[in-house]
Amino acid sequence: SQQGEEDPQALSIQEGENATMNCSYKTSINNLQWYRQNSGRGLVHLILIRSNEREKHSGRLRVTLDTSKKSSSLLITASRAADTASYFCATEIQGAQKLVFGQGTRLTINP
Amino acid sequence: DGGITQSPKYLFRKEGQNVTLSCEQNLNHDAMYWYRQDPGQGLRLIYYSQIVNDFQKGDIAEGYSVSREKKESFPLTVTSAQKNPTAFYLCASSETGARETQYFGPGTRLLVL
Repeated sequence: SQQGEEDPQALSIQEGENATMNCSYKTSINNLQWYRQNSGRGLVHLILIRSNEREKHSGRLRVTLDTSKKSSSLLITASRAADTASYFCATEIQGAQKLVFGQGTRLTINP
Repeated sequence: DGGITQSPKYLFRKEGQNVTLSCEQNLNHDAMYWYRQDPGQGLRLIYYSQIVNDFQKGDIAEGYSVSREKKESFPLTVTSAQKNPTAFYLCASSETGARETQYFGPGTRLLVL
């Protein structure tokens, strides 16, 4: 099974609403990153949160990390049609020199 | 412009043929990565390199090979041993390793004729 699993797999909301995506993982991590992918394109880094951090903000993005529950959430506030994309969490597992990506959440913002 | 480039955008492979995907970066990054993405799925790591002339297998290395002769280049060869090569291939780089942000190229879509 996946190290990082996003929930929900797909999310459709109206423009202006907030979107929340969750990521759960299984083993201890050094950091957790969120990436965005527009259809058929490469990934773009959004935010990195380290294991000793609990919350980070970047513009309309808010990421939380709960290491006791092995979970993270990505909140996009005041969503726009341009936010339509797939969002992936990626974890750097302790002792491994690589990122492990989840399956992603497909977010659709309806105008 | 600094960045990471991949070519070609689309690649067609005939049965039994080896094909090579190009990945170049001018970010002066030490680490480079190759991922495979299947439709509706996440990324799976094929190979990674943390320094020139050194690379390690990822989770799905069978049927693939790489080289890292120059810091800026990390080509991926899909060999005939890879029986299901149709996928979207993404190359990425980071300054020194997985603890940092990875910067991705635009991807190469490989299709089998």
